[in-house]
Formats: sequence, structure tokens, C-alpha cells
Amino acid sequence: DQQVKQNSPSLSVQEGRISILNCDYTNSMFDYFLWYKKYPAEGPTFLISISSIKDKNEDGRFTVFLNKSAKHLSLHIVPSQPGDSAVYFCAGSARQLTFGSGTQLTVLP
Amino acid sequence: DAMVIQNPRYQVTQFGKPVTLSCSQTLNHNVMYWYQQKSSQAPKLLFHYYDKDFNNEADTPDNFQSRRPNTSFCFLDIRSPGLGDAAMYLCATSRKVGTRTDTQYFGPGTRLTVL
Repeated sequence: DQQVKQNSPSLSVQEGRISILNCDYTNSMFDYFLWYKKYPAEGPTFLISISSIKDKNEDGRFTVFLNKSAKHLSLHIVPSQPGDSAVYFCAGSARQLTFGSGTQLTVLP
Repeated sequence: DAMVIQNPRYQVTQFGKPVTLSCSQTLNHNVMYWYQQKSSQAPKLLFHYYDKDFNNEADTPDNFQSRRPNTSFCFLDIRSPGLGDAAMYLCATSRKVGTRTDTQYFGPGTRLTVL
């Protein structure tokens, strides 16, 4: 039972353009959502989060949008940079964190 | 710098030979977690400690055990590793404030190979 789904295993974007990573969830008990970034040979690092009572949170180039009625969240990176190339995991928080399977973002120079 | 450290980074063991992975933290967080991540899959929570209280996930195999002798250290023991236990093992920490746990901070992981 996948409570958090990232349906795109990979995404390629040109440097300077917008990257949009999507995530769907089924658990209505999630009260917080987080995005983590993972480089090869490193652990995931926290990127940005959003409370379920909000629909948008912004931090520099990164914005997370939450659509509760659709049970959907997305991460926007503008402008994308080659250093953003990594695997991005979304996670929902209820009792514990439940992760999606990740999306490999490649930003092409 | 405050951090989460995992040793070793790479571990090779033989089928059925017990192995221990270690995690230490300098963040002074009261919650420590162990996750298993197989290739192209989501990290899967095995168990966590809230201080000394051990919490096992329902589907964590009995083959997996954990010890937390103090706030800073946590160990993952795999009693009889099978080929299916080959994976990346991630340790994470967080603070628990009231009923909420804060953001989790991850170590770099230990890649386990079972021959």
C-alpha cells in the first residue's frame, strides 16, 4: 500500500528553466509534508516542508504547493541549476514519515 | 559541525553471518531511526527509539534488532542476513516536541552487500 507516490522516476530540465516534481498521497492523516534531496553516496537532506493547513511555502528558488482536495503536492525549482541534479523524495508525516520512491532530476547545462 | 555519522559506509557480509551497523549523532536528538532503502524504492522505516523506548514497525523482520546504549549511539544488528537484506541502511535523528517529531536528519548510509 503506497501511501505516497512519485509517479515520475526521472525528469530532465534545461538549466535556467523551471523544474516541477510531483507527488500524490492517499493518507488523509498526514499533517505535514516534506521534500528531501539526495545526492549519490549521501543521505537525504531536508529541503522544504509545508503544513497541511497551508497551500504554499516558498524558500528562495524552491516552492512547494499543496492541493489537499486532490491529495497532491508539487515542488517547483526556479531557476534550475546543474547543482540541483539529485534524487528528490517527498514524504508525508503522520505518526512517522512515509516516503515516496523518489524522482531523479537532471538539470542539463 | 553537528551531524549524523554512520559506520562503516560499506559493509560486506556472508549469507547468514551476523552483522552490526552503527550510527552516532552529535545533534543531541531524542529520536533515532533506522531505514532500509532498496534500489529505486522509498526508504522504509524499520524501527525507531524515542529516548530508550523502542518502537518496532509491524512488518520489520525478526532478523533485525536494534540497540541504543545512550543518546548518541544506535546500532542495527542483522542476526542472519539473507540475500534480500542487501540494501542501503539509513540512520536518522529528530527531536520530539510534545506529540510531534521535528524534521529528520539523515546520515550518509551504510551500503550492505550480502554474498
